Amino acid sequence: GAVVSQHPSWVICKSGTSVKIECRSLDFQATTMFWYRQFPKQSLMLMATSNEGSKATYEQGVEKDKFLINHASLTLSTLTVTSAHPEDSSFYICSANTLRGLAVFGPGTRLTVL
Amino acid sequence: DAKTTQPPSMDCAEGRAANLPCNHSTISGNEYVYWYRQIHSQGPQYIIHGLKNNETNEMASLIITEDRKSSTLILPHATLRDTAVYYCIVRVGGGNAGNMLTFGGGTRLMVKP
Repeated sequence: GAVVSQHPSWVICKSGTSVKIECRSLDFQATTMFWYRQFPKQSLMLMATSNEGSKATYEQGVEKDKFLINHASLTLSTLTVTSAHPEDSSFYICSANTLRGLAVFGPGTRLTVL
Repeated sequence: DAKTTQPPSMDCAEGRAANLPCNHSTISGNEYVYWYRQIHSQGPQYIIHGLKNNETNEMASLIITEDRKSSTLILPHATLRDTAVYYCIVRVGGGNAGNMLTFGGGTRLMVKP
């Protein structure tokens, strides 16, 4: 079946540094990928839609200059959290839709900013 | 996308059937009902989806009412590993790769020995 991977699975960084998270569709191509954020005991919130070869679309309230998204190929999207602060600590999850429109989610990346 | 309403939590005894309800009274004719679950600290996992007919796969059964305003996910023999948050999501289906999923609060299912 379709699989989406994320790397790293967890990361701890110092405040002010940048962190890159990769999302890969392993056995299918995805022109569109999605990035979600989940805080403890809350549901997933869509952050942005990543489009291959074009600019990402950000949800209201999400700073595009802080959360940089690059969708350079049909199987890879990256999310870079720039100048991370403790309030950016969260569980970041990506997803990609198969050709049939089924959303496949990655395992998530837990970011802790000290 | 149509909004869904689910009970925030449910308990189920191990080995018994778990029936998780979902209301989606404003569903449109071209919207499917999708069910995903999220085990703690993991990404959501697809379970099943349907348009208007009942569906069954190796994980679960999906019962959709005739008016499509509500549905029930059935886990026939719940195990401890089925403890998770279950999300019912209504969305236009098909091959449109650009459609994202909008998550509500879900139902936290606790399977107890």
